[in-house]
Amino acid sequence: AQTVTQSQPEMSVQEAETVTLSCTYDTSESDYYLFWYKQPPSRQMILVIRQEAYKQQNATENRFSVNFQKAAKSFSLKISDSQLGDAAMYFCAYRRRSNNDMRFGAGTRLTVKP
Amino acid sequence: DVKVTQSSRYLVKRTGEKVFLECVQDMDHENMFWYRQDPGLGLRLIYFSYDVKMKEKGDIPEGYSVSREKKERFSLILESASTNQTSMYLCASSLRTGGANYGYTFGSGTRLTVV
Repeated sequence: AQTVTQSQPEMSVQEAETVTLSCTYDTSESDYYLFWYKQPPSRQMILVIRQEAYKQQNATENRFSVNFQKAAKSFSLKISDSQLGDAAMYFCAYRRRSNNDMRFGAGTRLTVKP
Repeated sequence: DVKVTQSSRYLVKRTGEKVFLECVQDMDHENMFWYRQDPGLGLRLIYFSYDVKMKEKGDIPEGYSVSREKKERFSLILESASTNQTSMYLCASSLRTGGANYGYTFGSGTRLTVV
C-alpha cells in the first residue's frame, strides 16, 4: 500500500516570509500524481497544486510551488510571501495514475504570524 | 458553482444507534469517496464508489457500510455507532480517471460525536 508521510505536525512563518512544508511517499509505481490540499478553519478542502510524476518540471501556482524529487520520493510545498490567509492545515496526497482513490498524509498545521 | 453537499455539519448520536451520513454532488461525477479525519492521522479512506450500486473497501471499512443507489448520492452507514467512530467525516467526488490527474472536490465535512 502506498503511504504518505508529513513529518512536520506544525509549522509557523512570519507574514511575507517563505516556508516549506515537507512530504515523502512510498510507492513502487512509476506513474502517479501528487497533490497538496489546504484546509482552513472552514473545513473546506481546497486543491492548492498538483504534480504529474512523469513531468520533471516542478509545478507552480502563483505563490505556491513544489520541489518534486522523484528518486527521493519527496514532494515539498513552498509558500512564498506568506499571507495571513495561508494559515490552515495542509495535506499532501498521492494517487496512482490507474486508480481513482487517493491517500493522504497526516497534515501540517501552518500558522502565519503578523 | 459546483458542490459536494454533506447533509449535516454537526451530529451527535448515541452508542448503538444506526447513523446515516449523506453526501450529494451536482457535478455528474462518477467517483465518490468517504474519508474520516482524525488529528495526527490525516484522512483515511473508508469506502469509495466508481459507479451506481458499486462499492470498494478503503483502508478502514470495519464498522461502516455504504450505499449508492443514484449517481449523485453516496451514503455512509454506521450500523451500530461506537465512541471510537467519533470523528470528522469528509465526502469527496471526482471524474472518472482515464489517467487524468483529477483532484477531488470535497464537502465541508460532518463532525460526528458518539456518546
